Amino acid sequence: ILNVEQSPQSLHVQEGDSTNFTCSFPSSNFYALHWYRWETAKSPEALFVMTLNGDEKKKGRISATLNTKEGYSYLYIKGSQPEDSATYLCASVNQAGTALIFGKGTTLSVSS
Amino acid sequence: ETGVTQTPRHLVMGMTNKKSLKCEQHLGHNAMYWYKQSAKKPLELMFVYSLEERVENNSVPSRFSPECPNSSHLFLHLHTLQPEDSALYLCASSQVRGSEKLFFGSGTQLSVL
Repeated sequence: ILNVEQSPQSLHVQEGDSTNFTCSFPSSNFYALHWYRWETAKSPEALFVMTLNGDEKKKGRISATLNTKEGYSYLYIKGSQPEDSATYLCASVNQAGTALIFGKGTTLSVSS
Repeated sequence: ETGVTQTPRHLVMGMTNKKSLKCEQHLGHNAMYWYKQSAKKPLELMFVYSLEERVENNSVPSRFSPECPNSSHLFLHLHTLQPEDSALYLCASSQVRGSEKLFFGSGTQLSVL
């Protein structure tokens, strides 16, 4: 059974602050790592899918890195805005290519 | 609009009722999923269908019965549920299992009285 852990559980920052979250996952039999953003009253939306050790992905002010050898991924948000307020989920897929196993998420709140 | 539509958005049912949740995807994907979101828990995988064949069943009680009549539609039939089954039920689809990103529906908020 995969255990995907995310920290912190919640985070409150001021507009303009930069922040980052951590996702840790079992490094054995790794296949892929996903990041999703889940805004209140909306559906979870995919941000990144990463598969290779050392992968870095960027989408606007949000970026992510992946270390498959030690089993962690970081999500960075530069210059946080109120619209970044959401729960950020990571999910891991094992080498069998079966369905994603999610962490509990990090809930970000950005104040203006 | 994610291309994945779930109905109903909200459902209240008694423990003796039978109801069904419906999911439809307009993305041409081959895999469809049911996830359960309970308070303070991560999204829990319930069922996976790939090319209309059930490929995963994560020890879900038999009072939950999935059905995938074609690659665009997925149902979750509910009967004799318990109050602890109250949760948000999310449907998702992807092109293939595993490495491709999931597209989620808006979910059905289920309350069992």
